[in-house]
Amino acid sequence: KAGVTQTPRYLIKTRGQQVTLSCSPISGHRSVSWYQQTPGQGLQFLFEYFSETQRNKGNFPGRFSGRQFSNSRSEMNVSTLELGDSALYLCASSLSGIATNEKLFFGSGTQLSVL
Amino acid sequence: DQQVKQNSPSLSVQEGRISILNCDYTNSMFDYFLWYKKYPAEGPTFLISISSIKDKNEDGRFTVFLNKSAKHLSLHIVPSQPGDSAVYFCAARTSYSGAGSYQLTFGKGTKLSVIP
Repeated sequence: KAGVTQTPRYLIKTRGQQVTLSCSPISGHRSVSWYQQTPGQGLQFLFEYFSETQRNKGNFPGRFSGRQFSNSRSEMNVSTLELGDSALYLCASSLSGIATNEKLFFGSGTQLSVL
Repeated sequence: DQQVKQNSPSLSVQEGRISILNCDYTNSMFDYFLWYKKYPAEGPTFLISISSIKDKNEDGRFTVFLNKSAKHLSLHIVPSQPGDSAVYFCAARTSYSGAGSYQLTFGKGTKLSVIP
C-alpha cells in the first residue's frame, strides 16, 4: 500500500507570496491533518479534514487554510507569507482521524523556505 | 504557553540499556497521549499510545507510563538499539469548543542517540 505522499518536497518563496502544498493520503483514509514543524516551536497541529470538511483546528491565523477533495487528497494554502512561516509542513492520514484515537500515518513533509 | 513539555532536548544511552524519555503536561483535559518517532528526512511514525484512564501500556520493547497526579508521561525502551536513534515526540489530545472537536498538542521532541 502506498504511503502518504506530499508534494513538492522543497519550496522556496518570498515574503508576501502565497503557497499551496499537496497531500495524498493512504488509499481508503478519509482523514487528513496538517502540522507545522519548526526548531523553536516543535510540531504544531494546524487542522484536520474529514470527508471534505474541516473538523478540527489548531491555533493558527486565518492565513493558513486548507481543503479536501472528494478523493481525500488535501491541499494547504498559506497566503501573505512571512519569514516565520519557514518550516517543515507535514500531513498525516488515518481512516477516521483524531477523534477516534487512531494512529496517524505521516508523509515526509514539504520544506518551505520563505526569503 | 507550552502545554506539553519535553524538557530534555537530547538523551544518549548505551545499546542494550534502558532509554527513558519524559514528557510533562499542564492541561488536565488531555484524554489521550501518544508517542511518535521521527528519523531525519522522514515523517513521524506512531509508536505507542495510552488513554488517560490507564497508567501503563506495553508494546514489545516500548512501555508508556502515565502519572496523572504528576501530569507526567514517560516512554521506556528496553533494550535500546542503535536503530532507535531518532527524535521522539509526545503528543496529547484534548477536545475543545463542543463535542467532536479535537486538537493534538505536541512536545518539541527529544533526540535519542543509542551508542553501540
